[in-house]
Amino acid sequence: GAGVSQSPRYKVAKRGQDVALRCDPISGHVSLFWYQQALGQGPEFLTYFQNEAQLDKSGLPSDRFFAERPEGSVSTLKIQRTQQEDSAVYLCASSSTGYEQYFGPGTRLTVT
Amino acid sequence: AQSVTQLDSQVPVFEEAPVELRCNYSSSVSVYLFWYVQYPNQGLQLLLKYLSGSTLVKGINGFEAEFNKSQTSFHLRKPSVHISDTAEYFCAVSGAGSYQLTFGKGTKLSVIP
Repeated sequence: GAGVSQSPRYKVAKRGQDVALRCDPISGHVSLFWYQQALGQGPEFLTYFQNEAQLDKSGLPSDRFFAERPEGSVSTLKIQRTQQEDSAVYLCASSSTGYEQYFGPGTRLTVT
Repeated sequence: AQSVTQLDSQVPVFEEAPVELRCNYSSSVSVYLFWYVQYPNQGLQLLLKYLSGSTLVKGINGFEAEFNKSQTSFHLRKPSVHISDTAEYFCAVSGAGSYQLTFGKGTKLSVIP
């Protein structure tokens, strides 16, 4: 079956621009996660949804980061007024159990 | 707070040789442990997981790992590696009641023909 998909795969933004990253989870998965992976590092947790409820946003680095999942399926991660330090790969994962997470290919964001 | 240490950032190994990638975690509560593989420009693929039960866990592509609670380790092993195993491997942990994964910094496995 179809896995987790993310779009766009690559995004170049000028500093100060707003960006929106999309995640389509595996059908039927109630849990959805966002992670940020800086170059040469392991992924770091950003936020977690169960259905449409955002249950944990402790990893969001600043109030410029916002995530939503209004209908409990597709999720969007929005970054306002992008900064160079936001350059990273943003990974989305979904899960039916919460513990076993399946990742998408990621969106590589480059802020110039 | 949980933390994961992958002791080797890079591991070169000859084709058909055995390999062990080391992972230690720090947690005072029950944990769930995972190994993921990441090929260039791709997302993470789940190799194997320990949730409960037998401490020896078998995964895909011939990999296995052993959960050692006393040593807080979850080392990944494969008896004979192939060129196609060249990738970066991440160890991750989550705690009971918390789904977020904490990852190590990764180990780059290079298989030499």
